[in-house]
Amino acid sequence: LAKTTQPISMDSYEGQEVNITCSHNNIATNDYITWYQQFPSQGPRFIIQGYKTKVTNEVASLFIPADRKSSTLSLPRVSLSDTAVYYCLVDPSEAGGFKTIFGAGTRLFVKA
Amino acid sequence: EPEVTQTPSHQVTQMGQEVILRCVPISNHLYFYWYRQILGQKVEFLVSFYNNEISEKSEIFDDQFSVERPDGSNFTLKIRSTKLEDSAMYFCASSDLQGGTIYFGEGSWLTVV
Repeated sequence: LAKTTQPISMDSYEGQEVNITCSHNNIATNDYITWYQQFPSQGPRFIIQGYKTKVTNEVASLFIPADRKSSTLSLPRVSLSDTAVYYCLVDPSEAGGFKTIFGAGTRLFVKA
Repeated sequence: EPEVTQTPSHQVTQMGQEVILRCVPISNHLYFYWYRQILGQKVEFLVSFYNNEISEKSEIFDDQFSVERPDGSNFTLKIRSTKLEDSAMYFCASSDLQGGTIYFGEGSWLTVV
């Protein structure tokens, strides 16, 4: 399983763009990169998934360089309600992979 | 939007008692999971389940734990003899594809006293 490394915590202010970078140096050819968000006392919630280049949805953008050894989640104009833990996961869908392993995540704190 | 539902939302039990946590995964999903999160710690994988059998399990998922899909809609986690360290939030999840997006329930808080 590819290991991921991301900052433990980040602070930001309302209205700013936040970029959280995740390293996954031993990502496999078939792996996808998925980001989840978790609020306190709630289950993780899917944000975005990508394989290469750039993916954008109504919530965030995901930038993946050509070597795929890292990825950056970009949250445009964050608000107080974006305060949460953000997890970067590498899809363990290679042969027989049925488990998704969460790392420690990045704790984002958005201030007024 | 379809969602994973879990019951109970909170349960307090005495050490040594059996606990069953229940989950209704999203209806067309085929892959089911249990995770747990001890307060202040990361989300930990327990077990995955497909085609009526366990696909993967972690070292946490020892003989005290079991999972079952008793009918076409429910997915349960049983802890046979609870310990204090089993106190955690337990999340059920499901996906329609192997390695596909996993949808989590709101969790069941288990407090063992």
